[in-house]
Amino acid sequence: EAGVAQSPRYKIIEKRQSVAFWCNPISGHATLYWYQQILGQGPKLLIQFQNNGVVDDSQLPKDRFSAERLKGVDSTLKIQPAKLEDSAVYLCASEPETTDTQYFGPGTRLTVL
Amino acid sequence: GQNIDQPTEMTATEGAIVQINCTYQTSGFNGLFWYQQHAGEAPTFLSYNVLDGLEEKGRFSSFLSRSKGYSYLLLKELQMKDSASYLCAVRDYDRGYNKLIFGAGTRLAVHP
Repeated sequence: EAGVAQSPRYKIIEKRQSVAFWCNPISGHATLYWYQQILGQGPKLLIQFQNNGVVDDSQLPKDRFSAERLKGVDSTLKIQPAKLEDSAVYLCASEPETTDTQYFGPGTRLTVL
Repeated sequence: GQNIDQPTEMTATEGAIVQINCTYQTSGFNGLFWYQQHAGEAPTFLSYNVLDGLEEKGRFSSFLSRSKGYSYLLLKELQMKDSASYLCAVRDYDRGYNKLIFGAGTRLAVHP
């Protein structure tokens, strides 16, 4: 079974630029999560999708971050414009309806200069 | 509010046993997870507890006491490859859905 795919793996941008991350969850997983993990900290939930609907985006900085999950499969997370404090690893995870376990992708390491 | 505490760092010797503690405070506790995360990699699932008691899976065991808001992860027969961060995560049920809240992680260094 293929795991959660994310791209790019690494991205370096300057502040005020825009960036987008892509995630392809495990086939059949209805729930998809985006997390932000700052160095030395645990993952922090940004947004949770159930199929293509948003369940929780209470911690998403909506003035600069946006996310969508078209057709309930792939998802993109966008930051526009980026700030220095957005430097982090952005993790995507998916979860099947049959279990309570989230499966994580390899993450995208973002550096904002 | 929600709070998860675990030690920042631990060291242990190859072949030994180590216990990583986690205490939590949440309003809608609905299970506790332990994840392993090697440097630069994604977290991988280790264990899940929703009822009190010990869950054993090979060299790894996890314990939960809901009344005390306490869990631990026990690693036996430590190997060098066990050097990683161990994340305690609580599933919190709020406003009709579950979400995972992660602790900051415990960085374990196993030395010969």
